[in-house]
Amino acid sequence: SAVISQKPSRDICQRGTSLTIQCQVDSQVTMMFWYRQQPGQSLTLIATANQGSEATYESGFVIDKFPISRPNLTFSTLTVSNMSPEDSSIYLCSVGFSGQAKEAFFGQGTRLTVV
Amino acid sequence: RKEVEQDPGPFNVPEGATVAFNCTYSNSASQSFFWYRQDCRKEPKLLMSVYSSGNEDGRFTAQLNRASQYISLLIRDSKLSDSATYLCVVIFFSGGYQKVTFGTGTKLQVIP
Repeated sequence: SAVISQKPSRDICQRGTSLTIQCQVDSQVTMMFWYRQQPGQSLTLIATANQGSEATYESGFVIDKFPISRPNLTFSTLTVSNMSPEDSSIYLCSVGFSGQAKEAFFGQGTRLTVV
Repeated sequence: RKEVEQDPGPFNVPEGATVAFNCTYSNSASQSFFWYRQDCRKEPKLLMSVYSSGNEDGRFTAQLNRASQYISLLIRDSKLSDSATYLCVVIFFSGGYQKVTFGTGTKLQVIP
């Protein structure tokens, strides 16, 4: 299993600014995932962050808007850049394990409101 | 076609009722399947894994049908506390690559 600490848990930001969300895992993991969950919707994968390589972005998401860092096997950040009210959402980090598909573990989420 | 599809509901059922959800997936090479529960304003949490042989945990039974590419969740004797959104999760992996795909979720409301 994995325990994931995500912060901030919530924030209210001005449009045009950027917010960096941090995700800390209590064990080393190969893959980390960043999701967005808009109000009333399910989770949408933004990107996969692998240590030692660039993040892989899903269709509709670009690095300029959502830059990701993955400096080591226990930590990742997601930045939401140049925010607009449409970015208001919950952002969740998640971890998976290499070798075999295991259950997904989630951080507590960051509730972002852009005003 | 979406990779993972669920009926969004809501399913409004009385206490004590039995309710079933289905979820279909498009990637026949998918290897792992789960049901997650998400309460309002909370992160998803694992409810149970899904196996071809079926998996039962108390009032909950999950089943995988690989031939038809769907998984199911059956809840017996529904409780008020079962009210939540139930997410179907399908995982595909190949080598060092893993992709987790969520269904849109099925909302369950158990009413007194």
